[in-house]
Amino acid sequence: DAGVIQSPRHEVTEMGQEVTLRCKPISGHDYLFWYRQTMMRGLELLIYFNNNVPIDDSGMPEDRFSAKMPNASFSTLKIQPSEPRDSAVYFCASGLGEKLFFGSGTQLSVL
Amino acid sequence: KQEVTQIPAALSVPEGENLVLNCSFTDSAIYNLQWFRQDPGKGLTSLLLIQSSQREQTSGRLNASLDKSSGRSTLYIAASQPGDSATYLCAVDNYGQNFVFGPGTRLSVLP
Repeated sequence: DAGVIQSPRHEVTEMGQEVTLRCKPISGHDYLFWYRQTMMRGLELLIYFNNNVPIDDSGMPEDRFSAKMPNASFSTLKIQPSEPRDSAVYFCASGLGEKLFFGSGTQLSVL
Repeated sequence: KQEVTQIPAALSVPEGENLVLNCSFTDSAIYNLQWFRQDPGKGLTSLLLIQSSQREQTSGRLNASLDKSSGRSTLYIAASQPGDSATYLCAVDNYGQNFVFGPGTRLSVLP
């Protein structure tokens, strides 16, 4: 398996634009997580899914953030409109049982 | 609310030394604890997972211990190598899949 695949690896956009981050989890994993990592706040859980159903979205910072998982092999995290304070590395992780497997992340810069 | 801290924030050691990284958490009612490694520009890789009923786990030169009652875990790295240079994060799972991460310890092993 190729592991958790995220795209794009880097995204530079202007304030106010819509940003969509994509994730393909490892086949067979039933959990999918979205994390955000910054120097100031470390690694924060935004939302996670179990069998494609959102279970806990309490970490989603604002209504500008939304996440979907239309099927077992694909998830998106959307920010609309984006703001400079959204600049961070966004990680997707998938899990089966208790072990987490992370993607390489998307480095988002909002100018 | 669970809080996870790690000491030291950064560590630099000569090759061959044995070293200990520390992780503390405030709520001892955990399901498990994991240690991760993060290389620059990469995602996290799970190193060791300790169930709440276990005291330690070993993998090669790595040994992780858990003392739930005192809210502490240590990661012991034997005979460190330059390839061990990375950031090491611990994460605790309080209730099914809600992992809270520490800020990490940045390790440099000098040749």
